[in-house]
Amino acid sequence: EAGVTQFPSHSVIEKGQTVTLRCDPISGHDNLYWYRRVMGKEIKFLLHFVKESKQDESGMPNNRFLAERTGGTYSTLKVQPAELEDSGVYFCASSLRTGGFTEQFFGPGTRLTVL
Amino acid sequence: AQSVTQPDIHITVSEGASLELRCNYSYGATPYLFWYVQSPGQGLQLLLKYFSGDTLVQGIKGFEAEFKRSQSSFNLRKPSVHWSDAAEYFCAVGVIGYSTLTFGKGTMLLVSP
Repeated sequence: EAGVTQFPSHSVIEKGQTVTLRCDPISGHDNLYWYRRVMGKEIKFLLHFVKESKQDESGMPNNRFLAERTGGTYSTLKVQPAELEDSGVYFCASSLRTGGFTEQFFGPGTRLTVL
Repeated sequence: AQSVTQPDIHITVSEGASLELRCNYSYGATPYLFWYVQSPGQGLQLLLKYFSGDTLVQGIKGFEAEFKRSQSSFNLRKPSVHWSDAAEYFCAVGVIGYSTLTFGKGTMLLVSP
């Protein structure tokens, strides 16, 4: 069974540009999460989808970040325009159920560098 | 709000020696507790988790962790470290009613020959 995949693995852009990160969850997982790790800091929650609906987006830093999950399958996270402080590793995770607490399976992350 | 503290940023252990990575959490009730490991180029892999019951939890790759409510701790242990255990380890907390995880800053484990 394929795990969570993320694309690209690395992205280097200049301040003011736009970047779109993609996450493909494990097939059949309704729950999809985005997390971010800024250098030297904790991995922090950004948002949670249940199918195509945003269940919790309390961790999104500002309105330059837009997450979508059309059709309830893969998700994209767009940063527009990117700022220096957006640099970090963006992780995606998926899980099977919403009720209770189930294991979240993580992807390898996308390392974003904003120059 | 809950928080997780991993006091050691880096730890170096000789191959074959025992290992203990520290994790303390702050939360009013008993949380769900997790240890993840990230090897270079890989995603976060779940080592073990504690939800309830026996406070000594066995995980994959020979790891175990003990939940101590009185100390708000969930330390990770391994009796004999292998070179392949070199990686970054993250302790995380989940809270009933919420699906998100709160992570510590991670501990980088280096294994010396």
